[in-house]
Order: sequence, then C-alpha cells, then structure tokens
Amino acid sequence: NAGVTQTPKFRVLKTGQSMTLLCAQDMNHEYMYWYRQDPGMGLRLIHYSVGEGTTAKGEVPDGYNVSRLKKQNFLLGLESAAPSQTSVYFCASRSDSYEQYFGPGTRLTVT
Amino acid sequence: AQSVTQPDIHITVSEGASLELRCNYSYGATPYLFWYVQSPGQGLQLLLKYFSGDTLVQGIKGFEAEFKRSQSSFNLRKPSVHWSDAAEYFCAVVLFSGGYNKLIFGAGTRLAVHP
Repeated sequence: NAGVTQTPKFRVLKTGQSMTLLCAQDMNHEYMYWYRQDPGMGLRLIHYSVGEGTTAKGEVPDGYNVSRLKKQNFLLGLESAAPSQTSVYFCASRSDSYEQYFGPGTRLTVT
Repeated sequence: AQSVTQPDIHITVSEGASLELRCNYSYGATPYLFWYVQSPGQGLQLLLKYFSGDTLVQGIKGFEAEFKRSQSSFNLRKPSVHWSDAAEYFCAVVLFSGGYNKLIFGAGTRLAVHP
C-alpha cells in the first residue's frame, strides 16, 4: 500500500516550457487535490477533483490545468511555466472521514 | 470568509519543555478541524482531528488538542517536547461549499527545539 505518490520529485523548467505532474493513489479515494506550498503562505489549493472525470478550481488555479481520467490518477499541467510557479507542489487524496493523505511533494523551479 | 489563523510563525522551546501551538478559525457552523505536521522535505502527516464530541482530542506522537468554541480555537499541546518534534505544524478546517469540500490551511508554525 503506497498511499499517495508523486512524480517527479524535482524538476527545473525554463520560462515558457510545459510539464505535467503525476499523482497516484491506491486508496480508492474519490476526492483528490493539488496544492502549492510557498514560504509563509501555508498550502494553497490549486485544483481539486470529486471523482473520475470531474475537476474544479481552488484558490489559485491560474496557469494550471488538471485532468482526472482515471480514479487513481490526478494530473497537474503547466502549459507555459512562469517563475511565479516556482514552488513545492503537493497532491492529496481524501478519505470518507475527511482526512487528507499527502504525497511527498514535487519541488519545481522555473528559471 | 472562512479562514484559519496561526498567530505564531516561529516558536522555539527547549527539549523536555511543554508546548502549545495556537490556532484560531473563522467558520459559521461546527468546524471539522485538523492538525498536520510536516518534517523538512516531507509531505504532511495527520496528527489529530476534531469533528464532534469530546473537545479534548488525542493524536499521534503524544500530541493533543482542545476545541474551544467560545474562543474559536483549536490549540495543539504536548507536555514534553522531543528534539524529533522540530517541524512545521499546520492547522486546517474543512470548508463545505457548493456541495464540495476542501481544506483551508493556516500559514503554519515552525517549531525549533533546543537541546
């Protein structure tokens, strides 16, 4: 039982490049979330999904897109990376008792 | 708007001393509250949660938290801190909105432990 996994763990992009972050969970959770973490700002919700094929915007969705084609996977895409998107990205899935289980994070640097 | 405030950005305590981390929330209904811990370079781990019932809840690693509705607080406590408790701590509340729900996090409190 791996819980929540994220790939890659680290990535460096140039401004304007694109990339996709992959999140996978093996707990059969319906809800999944993408957050970004910046110093002094806690975690801010980017997008979330309430089930396969359904996504919704969080607090800071601009510049990101998501897809939930399979229940176990939640993808976060950056179409044209900007330095302001330098951050640590966390994926989480939620149990029926509202507990969120977090992945180990992806550290992204945009130069 | 619903929010979570952690007034202390940094706290330093000596090993063996007691600890209290403050959390205040703004939420109209009975809140679902959580405390998470994040060790350096790691994801977040759930310490404890409060949904209803006994207002003093026990968590992992010897932590406890007390829900006080009159003060809109959910402070985290530990009677004797260990060096391994050095980490960042986040308080969070579940926001129910439009049939969906999501966690609203505080900005976090970074705990340093002196030997």
